[in-house]
Amino acid sequence: GNSVTQMEGPVTLSEEAFLTINCTYTATGYPSLFWYVQYPGEGLQLLLKATKADDKGSNKGFEATYRKETTSFHLEKGSVQVSDSAVYFCALKGGSYIPTFGRGTSLIVHP
Amino acid sequence: EAGVTQFPSHSVIEKGQTVTLRCDPISGHDNLYWYRRVMGKEIKFLLHFVKESKQDESGMPNNRFLAERTGGTYSTLKVQPAELEDSGVYFCASSVTANTGELFFGEGSRLTVL
Repeated sequence: GNSVTQMEGPVTLSEEAFLTINCTYTATGYPSLFWYVQYPGEGLQLLLKATKADDKGSNKGFEATYRKETTSFHLEKGSVQVSDSAVYFCALKGGSYIPTFGRGTSLIVHP
Repeated sequence: EAGVTQFPSHSVIEKGQTVTLRCDPISGHDNLYWYRRVMGKEIKFLLHFVKESKQDESGMPNNRFLAERTGGTYSTLKVQPAELEDSGVYFCASSVTANTGELFFGEGSRLTVL
């Protein structure tokens, strides 16, 4: 079945540091890939998505590229801010109607 | 426009008791999903409604869990009787269509079973 594997957290960075959160997936066919973010006290919200190989999703300075050859969708940001502190979830949607989520990676950004 | 709302935000109950969680999806969203996250692990799928019909309930762990969506509006998830391993955060999400995978989530209901 479908599955998503994310790097263990927490990831702790200083403000303006470069961020990478790794995500790899297992799926049949050609899934769509997503990053969701959960800020403290809020629900998950869609951050970015990519629907086919080599697509790059981007939003709020975050980027992720759909790499079919490595089955990966790593999240990157060039310069993180304190306000980016949150839990980030990688997800995929294959042929079924049910999105599959990873375990989440907590990001803590210090001033 | 109101987002997905869940109630209660936190519930603490004794093993063997009953708890009912409620979810109000975004108005006009026919698709409603329940997920659960236990102890920092994956957010695991429980079930999917399309309007009032259960489209997929393959993730429901056992018959102690009962979900309903009467009238195709809000949904309830009842756990009876609750066990220790049921503790976790229960998320509700909704969407207009099930095709895109883009879900709108509530803040979650944290359940603690003692």
